[in-house]
Amino acid sequence: DAKTTQPPSMDCAEGRAANLPCNHSTISGNEYVYWYRQIHSQGPQYIIHGLKNNETNEMASLIITEDRKSSTLILPHATLRDTAVYYCIVRVPGAGSYQLTFGKGTKLSVIP
Amino acid sequence: EAGVAQSPRYKIIEKRQSVAFWCNPISGHATLYWYQQILGQGPKLLIQFQNNGVVDDSQLPKDRFSAERLKGVDSTLKIQPAKLEDSAVYLCASSLVSRDSNEQFFGPGTRLTVL
Repeated sequence: DAKTTQPPSMDCAEGRAANLPCNHSTISGNEYVYWYRQIHSQGPQYIIHGLKNNETNEMASLIITEDRKSSTLILPHATLRDTAVYYCIVRVPGAGSYQLTFGKGTKLSVIP
Repeated sequence: EAGVAQSPRYKIIEKRQSVAFWCNPISGHATLYWYQQILGQGPKLLIQFQNNGVVDDSQLPKDRFSAERLKGVDSTLKIQPAKLEDSAVYLCASSLVSRDSNEQFFGPGTRLTVL
């Protein structure tokens, strides 16, 4: 699986959009981009995933650059409950082993 | 829908003692994972089961760690004997087997402290 690079920490004002970047310059053509988050003292939670088109669900939007070397997770109106560590993971879905390889992620702090 | 259940939530033991963790996945989920998360790091996969068979245990320290999923539902992870560096949160996750879905559902974890 391709490696990802994320900033270690970010701050965001409550009610504003949180834009979390992820660099995955060695991503291969069949690898998807996944985002998970982990709120303090809880297990990770799936947010969204995509291949090359932008994706949106009830939690967030995922913007993938045309060359697929980077992506941005957007939380449109951040709340205090969005304070968490956000993990960007790239992998091939349905491969023999379904494991997720987590890095250190980005610690997002939403400030009142 | 009930989530992934884990017990105990917390455990404190002394080094060289044994400990076991239990996981009950979401009903119908054939794939079960155990992850180890050391403070300040992301989770690291220890072992993956599909039904009652092992798919990947390449990162499981087999000299002291063991895991089983005898009936393809519940699973236990055991450490014997424990070392100080085993202090971590042990997370269990489950998922459906599907080429289109790789969403893993995680339990709350068991926080292990080895003194």
